[in-house]
Amino acid sequence: AQSVSQHNHHVILSEAASLELGCNYSYGGTVNLFWYVQYPGQHLQLLLKYFSGDPLVKGIKGFEAEFIKSKFSFNLRKPSVQWSDTAEYFCAAQGQNFVFGPGTRLSVLP
Amino acid sequence: DTAVSQTPKYLVTQMGNDKSIKCEQNLGHDTMYWYKQDSKKFLKIMFSYNNKELIINETVPNRFSPKSPDKAHLNLHINSLELGDSAVYFCASSQAGGRGNIQYFGAGTRLSVL
Repeated sequence: AQSVSQHNHHVILSEAASLELGCNYSYGGTVNLFWYVQYPGQHLQLLLKYFSGDPLVKGIKGFEAEFIKSKFSFNLRKPSVQWSDTAEYFCAAQGQNFVFGPGTRLSVLP
Repeated sequence: DTAVSQTPKYLVTQMGNDKSIKCEQNLGHDTMYWYKQDSKKFLKIMFSYNNKELIINETVPNRFSPKSPDKAHLNLHINSLELGDSAVYFCASSQAGGRGNIQYFGAGTRLSVL
């Protein structure tokens, strides 16, 4: 069955620290990958997506993610986080179905 | 204009009641979805409709009945509400139901069953 896992449940960083959130998926076929962000009390917004081509994709607000097919991974990165990045981050994979990971809560301390 | 709008934003009700949540999208999309987000923030798809036809129906109690009067609307009706139904329900839409289609989400409806 198709599934998505995220390595960390809760990540706490200080402002200006670098961020990497892990995401792994299980699906044997071609897959599209997404990262969504949910700010406190708000709906999910698309950060970035990978469909094909360059495995390093850049999204909004300075985020990027790298698709590594051999590792079934799509990790999210940001070189320097801000307090306003505090949110829940969801990785999602679209193969046969659209499946979300369990989410990673990011808390950025000012 | 809000692309995917849900009403109400908050819903507080007693066990055993019947309630509905409405969703409308003005993006011209063909496919709409309902997700349930539990207290641990886990998102699970409940239903998906494409052009008013049901295409995904995950293991959801039959107390939950989606209704799509047209492709711009997907309402969720819940009968005999239970405490475990308390969650945030998100509506979403995409151009089509297949791969390569980004889902756009509504603001969510926080349902509290007392």
